[in-house]
Amino acid sequence: GNSVTQMEGPVTLSEEAFLTINCTYTATGYPSLFWYVQYPGEGLQLLLKATKADDKGSNKGFEATYRKETTSFHLEKGSVQVSDSAVYFCALRGAQKLVFGQGTRLTINP
Amino acid sequence: NAGVTQTPKFRILKIGQSMTLQCTQDMNHNYMYWYRQDPGMGLKLIYYSVGAGITDKGEVPNGYNVSRSTTEDFPLRLELAAPSQTSVYFCASSKGQEREKLFFGSGTQLSVL
Repeated sequence: GNSVTQMEGPVTLSEEAFLTINCTYTATGYPSLFWYVQYPGEGLQLLLKATKADDKGSNKGFEATYRKETTSFHLEKGSVQVSDSAVYFCALRGAQKLVFGQGTRLTINP
Repeated sequence: NAGVTQTPKFRILKIGQSMTLQCTQDMNHNYMYWYRQDPGMGLKLIYYSVGAGITDKGEVPNGYNVSRSTTEDFPLRLELAAPSQTSVYFCASSKGQEREKLFFGSGTQLSVL
């Protein structure tokens, strides 16, 4: 079945550092891929998405590229801020439903 | 500006007790979902609904029941609470045309002791 694997957390960085959070997937067919973010005390919200191979999703300075050859959708940001501290979830949608990874907690120190 | 509202935020139950987690949305979304999140795990779908009067099982429905009598409300019922149901529960909703863009509530942290 469909599954998503994210890098283990927690991840702690200093402000202005470069961020990568790895995400790989297993799926039949060509799923759509997503990153969701959960800020403290809030529900998850959609951060970005890509619907086909080589698509790049981007939002709020974050980017992720749909790599079919490596079945990956890694999240990147060039210069993180304290306000980016949150839990990040990679997800895919197959035929009907979303499948989420386990989440990666990111903490940015000033 | 409410979005998806879940109550309560926290609850402790004894084994065998029952309770209902409430979820309401004011965006007129036809799709609604219940997920649970165990520590270090991804979200798992419990039940979902594509509209009032229609519900279907997700990956982990055992021990839960749902109903959808209105577009706005989608309560989740635990009949005989068990320690394995200790988790964080999220309700979410989406429009039919944008099913992957889910709007989530802030969650209910449930402990069964």
